[in-house]
Amino acid sequence: DAKTTQPNSMESNEEEPVHLPCNHSTISGTDYIHWYRQLPSQGPEYVIHGLTSNVNNRMASLAIAEDRKSSTLILHRATLRDAAVYYCILSSYDKVIFGPGTSLSVIP
Amino acid sequence: NAGVTQTPKFRVLKTGQSMTLLCAQDMNHEYMYWYRQDPGMGLRLIHYSVGEGTTAKGEVPDGYNVSRLKKQNFLLGLESAAPSQTSVYFCASSRRAYSNQPQHFGDGTRLSIL
Repeated sequence: DAKTTQPNSMESNEEEPVHLPCNHSTISGTDYIHWYRQLPSQGPEYVIHGLTSNVNNRMASLAIAEDRKSSTLILHRATLRDAAVYYCILSSYDKVIFGPGTSLSVIP
Repeated sequence: NAGVTQTPKFRVLKTGQSMTLLCAQDMNHEYMYWYRQDPGMGLRLIHYSVGEGTTAKGEVPDGYNVSRLKKQNFLLGLESAAPSQTSVYFCASSRRAYSNQPQHFGDGTRLSIL
């Protein structure tokens, strides 16, 4: 099964951009790359997803490497409310696998 | 907008007891899922459903049963609870196959088994 690798934790200063990396070297051609985040005592919240092209929405941007073996979630200006665990997952028709994610701390 | 609602929010059981967790969604989604999350870990898929009357096994199905008698509801049952099933359980739904659709999650059911 395709897996993802993320740093256990990252720190960012408030109002600065944050780049959260994800490696997925065994990704298959049909796997979509999804990002979710989870605040304490809440369920995961969808952030963004993509297949091959870079994607932007109101929450974040997703940059996907040309060979699709890695991707980066970009938060353009970190706020204290962005402190959460961020999960990069690969999703195919019948499988979705969450790893332990990256715990993001935002420093005021 | 309610989205995905899970009941109960908390429950303590004794080993061997049974219980049912209820998930309800009001978005007319076809797909529904049950996950469990253990401390410091990501979510693991227990069972899922691709439509009313259907269910399928996920990554960790043993010890659980599910039913989807109505499109909006997905029930997770523990027939004989074991301490290893102490976890936080999350339900999710998506419009279609989750490869290209966001999943919408509930706020979880915290289950302790003594």
